[in-house]
Amino acid sequence: EVQLVESGGGLVQPGGSLRLSCAASGFTFSSYDMHWVRQATGKGLEWVSAIGTAGDTYYPGSVKGRFTISRENAKNSLYLQMNSLRAGDTAVYYCAREVTTGAFDIWGQGTMVTVSS
Amino acid sequence: SYVLTQPPSVSVAPGKTARITCGGNNIGSKSVHWYQQKPGQAPVLVIYYDSDRPSGIPERFSGSNSGNTATLTISRVEAGDEADYYCQVWDSSSDPSRVFGGGTKLTVL
Repeated sequence: EVQLVESGGGLVQPGGSLRLSCAASGFTFSSYDMHWVRQATGKGLEWVSAIGTAGDTYYPGSVKGRFTISRENAKNSLYLQMNSLRAGDTAVYYCAREVTTGAFDIWGQGTMVTVSS
Repeated sequence: SYVLTQPPSVSVAPGKTARITCGGNNIGSKSVHWYQQKPGQAPVLVIYYDSDRPSGIPERFSGSNSGNTATLTISRVEAGDEADYYCQVWDSSSDPSRVFGGGTKLTVL
């Protein structure tokens, strides 16, 4: 079964750091671009970062310089290192697989990140 | 940044047709994808490349894209279709490059 499972969410103080993980199974992880997408409670979806099969990375301006996406193909794992966290980063964070059409065809169940003092 | 505009809500009676629009500047030149999200669940891809359906998605779901508007059409709407729907595009010249619409809440009356 094709599956993505996120972990690592939790409560962190403003200015703190957190590292999210996403474990992939059921497909050749190294062959796909991977993404993180977040959703604040009651709000819409927001793209957070992407990493290509060659390790190239992409970020929106809202997180560039604070978030770092990485992958470890040998472990079928995707990561998101989040530094200098703000209250506005509070959200459910999903990892997602991108197919050649540019669509996200597989999503994890999400992990909650709460930034609060 | 590239902006996608969706109506906040659409209501439809069971068995009728629901149409959810996604507006964007010259969106017809881009590939549009649509996601369904039910409460407490992750999004599910229901339409990609404007009008293609992933395996397992009912034929009742269809899409179109032209000019400044893309449309998700759900025929013979069922109670189980009640959900939030999001459109999404990739615009390499935009920041962010992956853009989602604000979402539309579909209510089945």
